[in-house]
Amino acid sequence: DAGVIQSPRHEVTEMGQEVTLRCKPISGHNSLFWYRQTMMRGLELLIYFNNNVPIDDSGMPEDRFSAKMPNASFSTLKIQPSEPRDSAVYFCASIREAGSNEKLFFGSGTQLSVL
Amino acid sequence: GENVEQHPSTLSVQEGDSAVIKCTYSDSASNYFPWYKQELGKRPQLIIDIRSNVGEKKDQRIAVTLNKTAKHFSLHITETQPEDSAVYFCAASTQPDDKIIFGKGTRLHILP
Repeated sequence: DAGVIQSPRHEVTEMGQEVTLRCKPISGHNSLFWYRQTMMRGLELLIYFNNNVPIDDSGMPEDRFSAKMPNASFSTLKIQPSEPRDSAVYFCASIREAGSNEKLFFGSGTQLSVL
Repeated sequence: GENVEQHPSTLSVQEGDSAVIKCTYSDSASNYFPWYKQELGKRPQLIIDIRSNVGEKKDQRIAVTLNKTAKHFSLHITETQPEDSAVYFCAASTQPDDKIIFGKGTRLHILP
């Protein structure tokens, strides 16, 4: 398996533009997490899904952020409109089964820069 | 919800000495405590974990301890080496949904 796959690796955009980050979890994993990493705040949990259903989105900063998981092999995180303070590394991660206390597998991350 | 505090934010130790990173958590229902290591420009990767029914776990130079009563858990690295330089994150997870909350990280520098 290729692991958790994220795209793009780097995204540079201008303030006000829409940004879409993509994630493909490991095949057979039924839980997917989106995290945002900054120097000041570390790894923040934005939202997570179990069996494609959003369980907790309390970490989503504001209405400009939205996430979907239309099927077991694909998820998106969208920011519209983007702002400079959204600049961060966004990680997607998956785990085989919720409640299993197993290893969380991270993707390579998307480095987002909003100018 | 769960809150994980991690200290120190930065730690410098001489090569060969030991390093200790400490975390506290707020939700007494948390039952799984993994530690992740992130090298510069890389993704976080699991290095060791401990479950709430265990007080201590060791894997070569790395050990974790858990005090459920005090809601403390710690990472101990002995005989530190240059390749131990990285950012280390503690985390806490609560069943049944495995909501995994991370501390803010500790940047560990191993000095030659």
